[in-house]
Amino acid sequence: QVQLVESGGGVVQPGRSLRLSCAASGFTFSNYGMHWVRQAPGKGLEWVAIIYYDGGNKYYADSVKGRFTISRDQSKSMVYLQMNSLRTEDTAVYYCARNVGNFVLLDWGQGTLVTVSS
Amino acid sequence: EIVMTQSPATLSVSPGERATLSCRASQSLNSNLAWYQQKPGQAPRLLIYAASTRATGIPARFSGSGSGTDFTLTISSLQSEDFALYYCQHYNNWPLTFGGGTRVEIK
Repeated sequence: QVQLVESGGGVVQPGRSLRLSCAASGFTFSNYGMHWVRQAPGKGLEWVAIIYYDGGNKYYADSVKGRFTISRDQSKSMVYLQMNSLRTEDTAVYYCARNVGNFVLLDWGQGTLVTVSS
Repeated sequence: EIVMTQSPATLSVSPGERATLSCRASQSLNSNLAWYQQKPGQAPRLLIYAASTRATGIPARFSGSGSGTDFTLTISSLQSEDFALYYCQHYNNWPLTFGGGTRVEIK
């Protein structure tokens, strides 16, 4: 069965960096685009970024553009989110999700919590 | 950016009753809309895509309708496990955006 496991969350000071990882299994990773979505405590869902199946295209939410970078390692079935210049408003649970069809998020991990605080 | 507006914010319904959730987009989506369910402490789960197609394993009591800018998620007879948060999401263009959510609670 499809499994997505996020890791790398934690407490970080404003202005610092953090890299999140998502380990995928149970499907042919190189055939699917992958998303990151976040959810601030007690708030709704916010889409963050997508990387296409071949890594050839990437799109970002305006709120993270220029600060976050999504990437993937096909050989390891991993997707990453490099987060630089972190702000307190980046505090959230970060989910990775598998894309199907025209950008529907079918499978989700359980999330990893990032807390940006001094 | 397309703004997604869900209403109501909270819906109080008795078990066995029908629940009707609304989602409105700031511009036409054709049918590029999905619905997700989220329970406390859990990741979201895909319910509906292409406005009206149920995802695999989703019970028939969940149905979606609409096109253009106005969409509806209907739960025909609420079961105890259906009390949760529900989000709509467009995928018409970038960036993808979600609605603010509707909480379905027990009346």
